[in-house]
Amino acid sequence: QVQLVESGGGVVQPGGSLRLSCAASGFTFSEYGMHWVRQAPGKGLEWVAVISFEGSNQHYADSVKGRFTISRDYSKSTVYLQMDSLRAEDTAVYHCAKDLSDYNYVFAFDIWGQGTMVTVSS
Amino acid sequence: NFMLTQPHSVSESPGKTVTISCTGSGGSISSDSVQWYQLRPGRAPITVIYEGNQRPSGVPDRFSGSIDSSSTSASLTISGLKTEDEAEYYCQSFDNSNSFVVFGGGTRLTVL
Repeated sequence: QVQLVESGGGVVQPGGSLRLSCAASGFTFSEYGMHWVRQAPGKGLEWVAVISFEGSNQHYADSVKGRFTISRDYSKSTVYLQMDSLRAEDTAVYHCAKDLSDYNYVFAFDIWGQGTMVTVSS
Repeated sequence: NFMLTQPHSVSESPGKTVTISCTGSGGSISSDSVQWYQLRPGRAPITVIYEGNQRPSGVPDRFSGSIDSSSTSASLTISGLKTEDEAEYYCQSFDNSNSFVVFGGGTRLTVL
C-alpha cells in the first residue's frame, strides 16, 4: 500500500524553526521526486518545494526561498522540510506528495499524505 | 503570470452529473499537464485525474477529465454523483514561463 505519513508539525513562535518529516512506503522511494504542498486555513493549495529523485536538485516557491530547505534520506525513505525564520503566513497544513513521474519530476502529484499542521504564533 | 480560475462552488443532486471548469489565463493549458485533486477534511488529498484525462487506479470511472480544443480551459466531470463526492476540487498545472506549479482556487462541490 502506497503511503505517505507526515509528522513534526506544531506551534512555533515567529522567527523560529521546525523540521517536518514525511515517511514513504509502498513504492521505490529512490525513483521519485518528492514535493511539499501547503494549505493555509481557509485558503487554497500552494506548492512549496520539490526534490529530485536522486536528491541533487531542489526548487522552491518564491514565498519560502532562502528560509526552507527540502532534503531526503534514502535509508529511511523519508523526505524532510526544514523551515527557518518562520512567519505567521507560513501557518498551514503541510502535505508531502509523490511526483507522478519516475526518474524525473513533472510537478504533478499522484500520492499525498494527510498532512501536518504548522502554526506560527506568539 | 499563468493563472487558473475555478468556480467557487457548485451543487447538484445525487445521481446527477456535474462539471467543474478550470479556465487558464496568461497562457495556454497543455493537454498533458492538468491534474485534478479531491480534498476532504481530515483525509489525504486524492488525485482523481492526471495528464488531462487519465484516471488513477482505484478512482471510479464516474470521474473524467477533458481539455477544450482551444486549450484555454479544462473540465472535471463527475457522473452518478454520490454524497461521498462532496469535497473541494482543485485543478493544477505548470507555468512553463517561470517553472511554477499553479493551482486553481478550488471548487466546493455540494451533493444534496
